[in-house]
Amino acid sequence: NAGVMQNPRHLVRRRGQEARLRCSPMKGHSHVYWYRQLPEEGLKFMVYLQKENIIDESGMPKERFSAEFPKEGPSILRIQQVVRGDSAAYFCASSPPGRANTGELFFGEGSRLTVL
Amino acid sequence: AQTVTQSQPEMSVQEAETVTLSCTYDTSESDYYLFWYKQPPSRQMILVIRQEAYKQQNATENRFSVNFQKAAKSFSLKISDSQLGDAAMYFCAYRSIMYNNNDMRFGAGTRLTVKP
Repeated sequence: NAGVMQNPRHLVRRRGQEARLRCSPMKGHSHVYWYRQLPEEGLKFMVYLQKENIIDESGMPKERFSAEFPKEGPSILRIQQVVRGDSAAYFCASSPPGRANTGELFFGEGSRLTVL
Repeated sequence: AQTVTQSQPEMSVQEAETVTLSCTYDTSESDYYLFWYKQPPSRQMILVIRQEAYKQQNATENRFSVNFQKAAKSFSLKISDSQLGDAAMYFCAYRSIMYNNNDMRFGAGTRLTVKP
């Protein structure tokens, strides 16, 4: 039973380029969360999605950042026109729906974005 | 808004000894989840232990146990018989059970060093 899969593990971009980070939740999980972790800090919530719906994007920067979780395929976190301050580790997590939900989030291994 | 505070940026313990990591949180809700996650150098977020607020009994998982003081909003983690593999960043986390407030809030973390 595969866990949460994130790719790429490492991504290097130059300022002004676009970064796309992908996340496939655990089998049977319909809830996806994206978190950002700056060096030596905890994880900061960005966005919560279900299939084809953004439920809560209160942690997303208003510009350049977007997320989707289409009916088919992985969830994608997209960062346009990256700046050096976007360099961080981006974690995806998933949880099951309804009664199977015990509150725990299952995390991927993260994608480390470096902006030159 | 809920906040989670870990007041110990770093802790150190001798192998086979016991160490306690502190966590406090702020909330106006009566029911919620609390978690301790471990993040080793691989950066994978690993669930250590979870506690449901309505349960008065403290959770235990092998060498890991918590001291949950609901009135004081305190949730400390005790690691007994510390092992070298316990060395990692430890994050305390809070999660509401309300559907529209479903993100997990993390503390800043405590870096645990285990000395042989």
